[in-house]
Amino acid sequence: EVVLTQSPATLSLSPGERATLSCRASQSLSSFLAWYQQKPGQAPRLLIYDASNRATGIPARFSGSGSGTDFTLTISSLEPEDFAVYYCQQRRNFGQGTRLEIK
Amino acid sequence: EVQLVESGGGLVQTGGSLRLSCAASGFTFSSYWMSWVRQAPGKGLEWVANIAGDGSATYYVDSVEGRFTISRDNAKNSLYLQMNSLRAEDTAVYYCGRVTGGHDVNDYWGQGTLVTVSS
Repeated sequence: EVVLTQSPATLSLSPGERATLSCRASQSLSSFLAWYQQKPGQAPRLLIYDASNRATGIPARFSGSGSGTDFTLTISSLEPEDFAVYYCQQRRNFGQGTRLEIK
Repeated sequence: EVQLVESGGGLVQTGGSLRLSCAASGFTFSSYWMSWVRQAPGKGLEWVANIAGDGSATYYVDSVEGRFTISRDNAKNSLYLQMNSLRAEDTAVYYCGRVTGGHDVNDYWGQGTLVTVSS
């Protein structure tokens, strides 16, 4: 079973800053990694699939990169609505999440 | 517009049963794998089960194997999760999702339905 480890657990930033979230896999995943955003009381929303492809309607400030065991979600300039919890996923495995909070 | 609407959640006693439903619209339901993902209160996401578009294949997380059954009725555009022998650790919000591609990625999610298992 693949274990996905996200870091940091919590990231405190201000609007306008750049956010870099990490997801490390216990074994190589090729490029089969997805990222989701979840706000309180809401369902997750797909942001990125296959490591670097933005889902439909996702703003260009969200980008994904990486392959093998190390993946990154980057938000180039934080908007107020971006503060949420972010999960990575590979097949049936999810990371534990990174909480992005306002500093 | 793709819509997924879950129903059937509620409070159930330990050892009891519950059947969740997910009504789908806005896409050709039978062409997609579908899945259930759950989230315990204050916790992260956990994949539970998925089912092929024609219902010919199903997969489960080990912790629910033998207790939960995923099924679908393509004539009714509906997905189901029959949950038996419920345990306290099954308490969670259950989301249905449409699977895209071949790697269990959910591109659309329902709003979720809360299942609470209590003694």
